[in-house]
Amino acid sequence: DGGITQSPKYLFRKEGQNVTLSCEQNLNHDAMYWYRQDPGQGLRLIYYSQIVNDFQKGDIAEGYSVSREKKESFPLTVTSAQKNPTAFYLCASSPLGYQPQHFGDGTRLSIL
Amino acid sequence: GIQVEQSPPDLILQEGANSTLRCNFSDSVNNLQWFHQNPWGQLINLFYIPSGTKQNGRLSATTVATERYSLLYISSSQTTDSGVYFCAADRGSTLGRLYFGRGTQLTVWP
Repeated sequence: DGGITQSPKYLFRKEGQNVTLSCEQNLNHDAMYWYRQDPGQGLRLIYYSQIVNDFQKGDIAEGYSVSREKKESFPLTVTSAQKNPTAFYLCASSPLGYQPQHFGDGTRLSIL
Repeated sequence: GIQVEQSPPDLILQEGANSTLRCNFSDSVNNLQWFHQNPWGQLINLFYIPSGTKQNGRLSATTVATERYSLLYISSSQTTDSGVYFCAADRGSTLGRLYFGRGTQLTVWP
């Protein structure tokens, strides 16, 4: 079945540590997105990519980095510069143009 | 960006009741989606509806783009309908980025 796989489901970060969240899709979608959700809030865009080797900052990119070396993969690194990383992170993908986005099951990141 | 406002913020229903959730947006849109987030955090696509009306079983949605609002109708609600319903919109200028509302928390009691 086609879909979006995020791993791990739960992740713990120590102070000063970088961690990487994985997002893989086999839907052959060109566009991929990373969102952050805080309790009681909607989703906010961190980064998005419409093509391999290209990506753009969203509304809350500070303290995060991404790469897009393959069409199917869009990993997100939460760096030590992100001072409040505890949140639920969701990855999405879509075809280009005015098309619906589809979401993975998310990764919950907490601070030790 | 687009401002997306959802109402009501919370809704409590008895099983079998009907409900209407509203989403207002501040600009013309080329993409509008309704999602259901279940208690495990999974975000499920309900409708892609930038304009017009669609139905899927007990759920239906209507978007009136000229008046900048969308409605989600849930009929004969069930306990499994509980969760948070999000509306998200995009005006298409940046190809696909969605702006989310803060959601409606729905609780359905047996």
